[in-house]
Order: sequence, then structure tokens, then C-alpha cells
Amino acid sequence: GAVVSQHPSRVICKSGTSVKIECRSLDFQATTMFWYRQFPKQSLMLMATSNEGSKATYEQGVEKDKFLINHASLTLSTLTVTSAHPEDSSFYICSAREFGGTYTEAFFGQGTRLTVV
Amino acid sequence: SQQGEEDPQALSIQEGENATMNCSYKTSINNLQWYRQNSGRGLVHLILIRSNEREKHSGRLRVTLDTSKKSSSLLITASRAADTASYFCATDSGGSYIPTFGRGTSLIVHP
Repeated sequence: GAVVSQHPSRVICKSGTSVKIECRSLDFQATTMFWYRQFPKQSLMLMATSNEGSKATYEQGVEKDKFLINHASLTLSTLTVTSAHPEDSSFYICSAREFGGTYTEAFFGQGTRLTVV
Repeated sequence: SQQGEEDPQALSIQEGENATMNCSYKTSINNLQWYRQNSGRGLVHLILIRSNEREKHSGRLRVTLDTSKKSSSLLITASRAADTASYFCATDSGGSYIPTFGRGTSLIVHP
């Protein structure tokens, strides 16, 4: 299968600061990327879907001004948590898929544990 | 909204026993994938099964798919304490291929 690399794996930041999480497809072109959030002992909830070169489509209840998603290239998408607060502490996972590629399914990064203090 | 729903939500067994988890979904799918997640860690991909497949094996793992019942099962044979984790199924459907996760099954294997 294809490889998706997510960085950083863990980050601790102060309340009010912004944090950027990167998601890279290493051996395929990620025409579509998905960002998920997971609270402790819960499932992964889709936050947004982004297509390369287009604005992200956010799920209901997700603040687009707080969770900025950029998908400017076919191998990189970033999620920026702006003005982070303790309630933003969570596990964030990205996923990437190549439209019309070898694989129909999406591949997942290893996730980023964000702690806001 | 969640597409897949795992059953049971929690499973506790002894080492050496088999563990079976089920996943039901609502709409027709393209692919169904099973993942393992150890506490506080990322997802580990276990098996992908496509809508035109009925059964797949990988080591001690066996996955079945019944599209008429819209359900899948994951069987872990001869379980080990190291199998203790949460297990999620994720389905994607339609043209968007957006993976949608169930609530997961928490498996505890006692040594």
C-alpha cells in the first residue's frame, strides 16, 4: 500500500498559540485528503475533506476559521489549529487518496497528539 | 454521521481464545477496512476487503464481508495479550470514497 506521513506525532502548545500539522503522501499523488479528530475513547470523526487546489469542505459543526486546511500541492496538506484552547486537545489523523490511481482506498497517517496547556 | 457500527463495544477474553468482532453498515460500500489502535497511538491497518470480495486472511486475522447483510466480521484466532487494543472498521462508499469509522470494539486479552 501507499504511505502517508504525518508530522509531528506529538505537540504541546500554550493556549492562544497556533499549531500546524503536516500530512504528506510519500509515493502517490494525494488528490484528496481527509482530516479526522478523535477524542479519548471515541471514534474518529471526519472534520473536513480537501481536494488539491480547492477550498476544503468542512463537516457540520467544524469551525473553518479555527481549523485552517491548506492542500496546495498533490503531496502535502496542512491543518492549522488557530488560537488553540485546551478543548482542542485531541488526536488528529489525516488520510489521503489518489483519484484514478492504483488504489481506490485512502491511506492514513499515524496521527498527531495535540495537547494545549 | 458514522457508517459502520462495531459489535460488541467491548470484549474481554483469555489468551489463546478467538475474538470475533462485527461491523454493520448502512449504505453500499466500495471498500471496508479494519484497523487496530493501541491506547493513545495511531491506526494500524489490518485488512482491506473490497465489495466484490467475501473473505480475506492475514496471519491470525480473518475478515468476511456479507454485502447482502451489510456486515463484516473480524476474527482473531489464538489471541495474545498484545492483541489488546481498540478495533475499528472503516467503510467508504459512492464516488467520494470518504472513509467513515464505526465506534470501535475495545478488546482486552488477559494473559
